[in-house]
Amino acid sequence: QTVVTQEPSFSVSPGGTVTLTCGLSSGSVSTSYYPSWYQQTPGQAPRTLIYSTNTRSSGVPDRFSGSILGNKAALTITGAQADDESDYYCVLYMGSGIWVFGGGTNLTVL
Amino acid sequence: EVQLVESGGGLVQPGGSLRLSCAAFGFTFSSYAMGWVRQAPGKGLEWVSVVSGSATGTYYADSVKGRFTISRDNSKNTLYLQMNSLRAEDTAVYYCAKMRGWGDYAFDYWGQGTLVTVSS
Repeated sequence: QTVVTQEPSFSVSPGGTVTLTCGLSSGSVSTSYYPSWYQQTPGQAPRTLIYSTNTRSSGVPDRFSGSILGNKAALTITGAQADDESDYYCVLYMGSGIWVFGGGTNLTVL
Repeated sequence: EVQLVESGGGLVQPGGSLRLSCAAFGFTFSSYAMGWVRQAPGKGLEWVSVVSGSATGTYYADSVKGRFTISRDNSKNTLYLQMNSLRAEDTAVYYCAKMRGWGDYAFDYWGQGTLVTVSS
């Protein structure tokens, strides 16, 4: 069974840069998995940040960017702000109408 | 403005059934695939199911295959999730989500969710 891996937690200083990653238990993530990224604060619905690896969703500030780094998808936040403190989820399209979410990364800004 | 409004959640006994609905507003409903994503209490997001815009294609996570059925009524701009043989592990907030074009394979708009609790 395919497992999508994310760092359980991460910390960044205000104004700093952080890169969260999204990998596979077996194999490498490529653009063919159409990685997308979602932000969720407690009690709220997810918000779409990035789709198709590196395309920002409407209204998402350009300090959020997506890429492939090595064998993983990556979400980079540049100039972190206090309200970036959230859970971040990636999801990969496995083909044949199947999507798999990563376990999420809890980001602390302090 | 795109809006997705879920309803139908509640308390159900193990083995019971429930049907969730998601009313969609602000876009041409029939042109987009739609899906359900759930989140168990204190846990992460889990993809559940997707249906194509024309409803000719339906897709399910292994955890719900054979028990859940996704459908849509394009004349009513409404998405459904029929959940049968419910188990305690199906307890979660269920989110309705609109997909971007099929070639992007991503969700772009989300509802606020409806809570399903499976317990005796």
